[in-house]
Amino acid sequence: AQTVTQSQPEMSVQEAETVTLSCTYDTSENNYYLFWYKQPPSRQMILVIRQEAYKQQNATENRFSVNFQKAAKSFSLKISDSQLGDTAMYFCAFMKLQGAQKLVFGQGTRLTINP
Amino acid sequence: GAVVSQHPSRVICKSGTSVKIECRSLDFQATTMFWYRQFPKKSLMLMATSNEGSKATYEQGVEKDKFLINHASLTLSTLTVTSAHPEDSSFYICSAILEGELGYTFGSGTRLTVV
Repeated sequence: AQTVTQSQPEMSVQEAETVTLSCTYDTSENNYYLFWYKQPPSRQMILVIRQEAYKQQNATENRFSVNFQKAAKSFSLKISDSQLGDTAMYFCAFMKLQGAQKLVFGQGTRLTINP
Repeated sequence: GAVVSQHPSRVICKSGTSVKIECRSLDFQATTMFWYRQFPKKSLMLMATSNEGSKATYEQGVEKDKFLINHASLTLSTLTVTSAHPEDSSFYICSAILEGELGYTFGSGTRLTVV
């Protein structure tokens, strides 16, 4: 079975700073997807960024980028120029390609951006 | 973009009664939907995979007789919590895969309180 681990329960940074959220996973699969989801106080799950395991190039979406290290099974999220609206719970998630496309979530990291 | 509508957003029911939560894909057909449960300040726990026209697949430890899932059409899945107890109080979230897309679309969640 796949597992996803987020070792940082909480993080706090000042506005405009850069912050990196860690995520590691365990799987025997070779083809899979990785995601970062954001859950603001509204509790609506919002996709932040996704990465296909077969792609070596790290995904980037505006201020959000990932550092995907397949051999190390590491998938960290970097938020540049952090904004107050980035305050939320962030979940790392894994989905294998074969079989039921279930998302397996990490425990989450509560990120607070301070003014 | 693809939208999943979840209703109601909040519901309070008495112990022993049943409550139904609806999850609709508004502008796409969803052959597969997923139901998650989220405890306060915790991650999302997959309860079951809802397949259109067939029986749902429940995760280990989830009581299928308590959490009835019906996916009668390509745009609607329902979760019925039967004979609700206070320990069933939680936040329930549905999601759907958009065919050909990568990743999920989530509903806005339902906060269930059993009194």
